[in-house]
Amino acid sequence: AQKITQTQPGMFVQEKEAVTLDCTYDTSDPSYGLFWYKQPSSGEMIFLIYQGSYDQQNATEGRYSLNFQKARKSANLVISASQLGDSAMYFCAMRDTGRRALTFGSGTRLQVQP
Amino acid sequence: DAMVIQNPRYQVTQFGKPVTLSCSQTLNHNVMYWYQQKSSQAPKLLFHYYDKDFNNEADTPDNFQSRRPNTSFCFLDIRSPGLGDAAMYLCATSPAGTGSYEQYFGPGTRLTVT
Repeated sequence: AQKITQTQPGMFVQEKEAVTLDCTYDTSDPSYGLFWYKQPSSGEMIFLIYQGSYDQQNATEGRYSLNFQKARKSANLVISASQLGDSAMYFCAMRDTGRRALTFGSGTRLQVQP
Repeated sequence: DAMVIQNPRYQVTQFGKPVTLSCSQTLNHNVMYWYQQKSSQAPKLLFHYYDKDFNNEADTPDNFQSRRPNTSFCFLDIRSPGLGDAAMYLCATSPAGTGSYEQYFGPGTRLTVT
């Protein structure tokens, strides 16, 4: 069975600094995808970044990058140059070939301080 | 812009009074999902449609039903809402397949049960 673990319920970061949000996963499927979503207080889930299990390079999207360590089964999100608007819940999610839907971790609440 | 729309954004219903939440999409995606998200928790999949094929999660209560009359629309029916059903309900869509496709989320409907 799939499992996603986010061990940081809450994180604080100073504006303009970088922050890493941790995510570990467990699956027996060699083919899977890892996703990060941002959920502001308004409730909408916003897609940030995707990493495929066979991708050779770490994914990057603007200020977001994914530190993918396959042997450790970790897929940490790195946000560079934090902005006040980055304050939100962040969810790590996974999909493998056996399931169309995403399995979500418990989330990390990030607060960016001025 | 192509998008996922949920109506209403906020819904108040009485204990035991049936309620219907709606979702529509302009993305022409094959798959539509309904998630339940309780406060400070991860989204939990209730069920999904692959075209007209309905896929129920094993632990989804019978109190929750869904209809998909066409590609664009999907409804969530709660037959007899209890206080424990108060939550954010998120609709999402994705193309067919289990690859890198992200799920596109609507803004959610926040349900209050009085």
